[in-house]
Amino acid sequence: ETGVTQSPTHLIKTRGQQVTLRCSSQSGHNTVSWYQQALGQGPQFIFQYYREEENGRGNFPPRFSGLQFPNYSSELNVNALELDDSALYLCASSSSQQVNYGYTFGSGTRLTVV
Amino acid sequence: AQSVTQPDIHITVSEGASLELRCNYSYGATPYLFWYVQSPGQGLQLLLKYFSGDTLVQGIKGFEAEFKRSQSSFNLRKPSVHWSDAAEYFCAVGSQAGNMLTFGGGTRLMVKP
Repeated sequence: ETGVTQSPTHLIKTRGQQVTLRCSSQSGHNTVSWYQQALGQGPQFIFQYYREEENGRGNFPPRFSGLQFPNYSSELNVNALELDDSALYLCASSSSQQVNYGYTFGSGTRLTVV
Repeated sequence: AQSVTQPDIHITVSEGASLELRCNYSYGATPYLFWYVQSPGQGLQLLLKYFSGDTLVQGIKGFEAEFKRSQSSFNLRKPSVHWSDAAEYFCAVGSQAGNMLTFGGGTRLMVKP
């Protein structure tokens, strides 16, 4: 079975621009969660998608938005990029929205905002 | 609100020595607790988890952790560290709603030959 795939692996954007990050969930998984990991910190929960609906959101502004598609892949969109958005963005998929079912994390997308 | 504290930002141990990484959590009910490891440029890999039952849980790569409710702790241990264990380790607690993890700040482990 394939794991969680994220694309791109790295990208550089200019402040004020918009970015879309992509995540292909592991086969058989219907839930995708997104986390932001700033340099030297632990990951922070952005939001979760379960069966194409947002199922919980962390303390992130509305310019962070997402989508989940019928094949359970997902996108994270960030508008009006700020310098502080520079981070590693991690996608995790699971077979349930509950944490006790276990998450499989991707290797992340490293976003640099200049 | 739930929170996780990992008091040690960096730890250096010699190869073959024992290891203990500390984790303290704050949570209003019986927590779901996790330890993850992250190698450079990689995502997170689950080492072990605790939901209920036996307070000493075994994980992959020879790691174990002990849940101590009275101390609000979930420390990670390994009896003999290998050079390949050098990585960043994160403790996390699961939410009541069950849909998010709250991570600590991480502990970077370095292994001396």
